[in-house]
Amino acid sequence: AQKVTQAQTEISVVEKEDVTLDCVYETRDTTYYLFWYKQPPSGELVFLIRRNSFDEQNEISGRYSWNFQKSTSSFNFTITASQVVDSAVYFCALSEFDYKLSFGAGTTVTVRA
Amino acid sequence: GAVVSQHPSRVICKSGTSVKIECRSLDFQATTMFWYRQFPKQSLMLMATSNEGSKATYEQGVEKDKFLINHASLTLSTLTVTSAHPEDSSFYICSARNRRGRSEAFFGQGTRLTVV
Repeated sequence: AQKVTQAQTEISVVEKEDVTLDCVYETRDTTYYLFWYKQPPSGELVFLIRRNSFDEQNEISGRYSWNFQKSTSSFNFTITASQVVDSAVYFCALSEFDYKLSFGAGTTVTVRA
Repeated sequence: GAVVSQHPSRVICKSGTSVKIECRSLDFQATTMFWYRQFPKQSLMLMATSNEGSKATYEQGVEKDKFLINHASLTLSTLTVTSAHPEDSSFYICSARNRRGRSEAFFGQGTRLTVV
């Protein structure tokens, strides 16, 4: 069964627009971790954020913000005032008791100048 | 942050040959390392989990005799793709978890394997 669902396959925006990436997860564990990674065309995975299941505080880091809602099992990611350098594939991932990462299918974000 | 180095970053090999990929944790000891595979335009899928000093645990559908994993020390795990075929062409990426129990695993840069 799919543990992490990223329903949006591709999103295309014009520079300076905001873009929100959806992530819905499924787990029976009470302790788990959620992650977002960025994968630019070069291929490496860039860590963006980790959130544990007991911390529902939303977080802002520069132009990035995350909205974690346990009630809806969602961990959405917003890029504010997008830039061309934000163009990449973004993965949401879930880690349960065994620390293995289950990745979503990824969302390709294209920011046009 | 913790650094994981993966080598080589790119490799092209002939069909039927074997290729070894190294994953090193440079500034921490990794009791557990994970190997993932990513086919073009797809997500990352866990192949196997390796624990230092013990046999690797493979995910369903991954051939353990084809993908040999060795985790001989707390800083090094290797993945050997044996008798490679074109369908093994993929992006392989490792991650290492700090033995101090932090939840986060750190990723290497990945290896793009092309089998011709």
